[in-house]
Amino acid sequence: DIQMTQSPSSLSASVGDRVTITCRASQSVSISLNWYQQKPGKAPKPLIYGSSTLHSGVPSRFSGSGSGTEFTLTINSLQPEDFATYHCQQSHSTPLTFGAGTKVEIK
Amino acid sequence: QVQLEQSGGEVRKPGASVKVSCKASGYTFSSYAVSWVRQAPGQGLEWMGFIRASNGYTNYAQNFQGRVTMTTDTSTSTGYMELRSLRTDDTAVYYCARETPYSGYTDWGQGTPVTVSS
Repeated sequence: DIQMTQSPSSLSASVGDRVTITCRASQSVSISLNWYQQKPGKAPKPLIYGSSTLHSGVPSRFSGSGSGTEFTLTINSLQPEDFATYHCQQSHSTPLTFGAGTKVEIK
Repeated sequence: QVQLEQSGGEVRKPGASVKVSCKASGYTFSSYAVSWVRQAPGQGLEWMGFIRASNGYTNYAQNFQGRVTMTTDTSTSTGYMELRSLRTDDTAVYYCARETPYSGYTDWGQGTPVTVSS
């Protein structure tokens, strides 16, 4: 199974900050890497697929990059609605696996 | 628009079974798989497996082999996930989701909380 390691597990940031979250795969997943945003009590919301393509309606302050085993999610100019938990997921091979999540909290 | 409507919360005793439903609308049900993902309290997301609605092919995570059965009813565009021999650590919110090729899980149900307690 491909293990996904996210870091940090949590971070505190202020509105307007730039935030970067890293996701590492235990073996290459090419660009089959997706990101989701989840708020308490809600289902995950798709943000990015194929490492760097934003889903429709996702603000352009979100961006993703990487290939192989190392990926990043960047949020430029953090907004109040961005405080949430972010999950990476590899869709290269089954079992599909998720990172443990990164909680972005208000400083 | 695509909607995945799940059944309501369940409470079970250890050793029992639970069956969660996921009714789809807004797309051609038989053209996609129904996947299941769970999330234990305060934990991350755990992939359970999927079933292709077109032919019933299933792919289950090793952790659930022998305890889970995923089925679909194309006449009602509904997917089902049954988990047997429940343990207290099966307490979680169970989500169904639709995967769009190369785009990850684009649509999710609202989640079904399952509590396993004696």
